[in-house]
Amino acid sequence: SQKIEQNSEALNIQEGKTATLTCNYTNYSPAYLQWYRQDPGRGPVFLLLIRENEKEKRKERLKVTFDTTLKQSLFHITASQPADSATYLCAGYSSASKIIFGSGTRLSIRP
Amino acid sequence: NAGVTQTPKFRVLKTGQSMTLLCAQDMNHEYMYWYRQDPGMGLRLIHYSVGEGTTAKGEVPDGYNVSRLKKQNFLLGLESAAPSQTSVYFCASSPWTAGLAETQYFGPGTRLLVL
Repeated sequence: SQKIEQNSEALNIQEGKTATLTCNYTNYSPAYLQWYRQDPGRGPVFLLLIRENEKEKRKERLKVTFDTTLKQSLFHITASQPADSATYLCAGYSSASKIIFGSGTRLSIRP
Repeated sequence: NAGVTQTPKFRVLKTGQSMTLLCAQDMNHEYMYWYRQDPGMGLRLIHYSVGEGTTAKGEVPDGYNVSRLKKQNFLLGLESAAPSQTSVYFCASSPWTAGLAETQYFGPGTRLLVL
């Protein structure tokens, strides 16, 4: 079956370090991947989108990569801050009916 | 702009009762979606709409119906609620650009408990 998989274990890192989150997809060819941030009790908020013909995208302290050979996207937060603590969701899009979300990775940044 | 709003925020139903969840967006987006989110699972698409008057099934449509009579509103109905429908429901909308629906804007969610 088509899947988007994210590391279900929480990621705990020290403030100031770079956080790297992984998103893998199987039996699926997304036209693009999106990353969202979700805080407890709230809806997801869009962060970045990367298309299948793009290798890397940046926005301020955020960077996302898309490797169609490995079927993987990496999401990086540089110079991490406690305010970056949240759950981060990866989503693949191949058509309006084929939007698949991963279950998310919880990130905790300790001061 | 209010963005995407959902009504109600929280609801408790008894098994067999019916209810309608309302989603409204003021961004003139073509696409609208209903998802459910359960612990340990990703958002799962229930139904979606690519424009006023159109609806289509997503990954988990059974037990739900939808309507989009106006471009800004997308309604999700539960005809006969079951405990398995206890979940957090999110509505989202997205613009249509160059043949693809892109960034999704999510509402705050509706927590539904079915007893």
